[in-house]
Amino acid sequence: QVQLVQSGAEVKKPGSSVKVSCKASGGTFSSYTISWVRQAPGQGLEWMGRIIPILGIANYAQKFQGRVTITADKSTSTAYMELSSLRSEDTAVYYCARFQATTFDPWGQGTLVTVSS
Amino acid sequence: EIVLTQSPGTLSLSPGERATLSCRASQSVSSSYLAWYQQKPGQAPRLLIYGASSRATGIPDRFSGSGSGTDFTLTISRLEPEDFAVYYCQQYGSSPPVTFGQGTKLEIK
Repeated sequence: QVQLVQSGAEVKKPGSSVKVSCKASGGTFSSYTISWVRQAPGQGLEWMGRIIPILGIANYAQKFQGRVTITADKSTSTAYMELSSLRSEDTAVYYCARFQATTFDPWGQGTLVTVSS
Repeated sequence: EIVLTQSPGTLSLSPGERATLSCRASQSVSSSYLAWYQQKPGQAPRLLIYGASSRATGIPDRFSGSGSGTDFTLTISRLEPEDFAVYYCQQYGSSPPVTFGQGTKLEIK
């Protein structure tokens, strides 16, 4: 059974960057896709991008192009999402999730990123 | 981009009642690519339904999905106290590959 465990909450200054990790256990990490989805306070879900670890190929939602980088380390079964040039609107809970075929399952527990001066 | 519009925004019902949640797409979605999630406060979303009508592992049979084309429905036959949550539909398509509806909050009346 696949489980995803994310890194802890972060507080960042506007203009800085944040890097969130997502460690997988169970299953074969390289064989599936990891996506990142964020949720601003009281808002809905927003897909940011995905990576296929076995290929090392990532693609991103247009909204985040140039600001987000998703990587994966097969040796530690860990995916990373780095978001740069942070602004207050980036305050959100960031989730990683395994993307299998057409759905997200399971999800990590979420990482709250707060952007504040 | 395919836009998913969920209705109603909030649904107020009592335990034991039937809930019907709607998800309408701005253009046709393959039934294979429509999913529903449940999210409780402070928790990550949980997959309920995939392929428009197939229940995910461990999901009770009071949850059912239906629909095709641009209109999809999530039905909860008899509400249990633990079913009060926010529900999202999600589609997988071309570009961007994933979009979510804005959510329906199911609250206790």
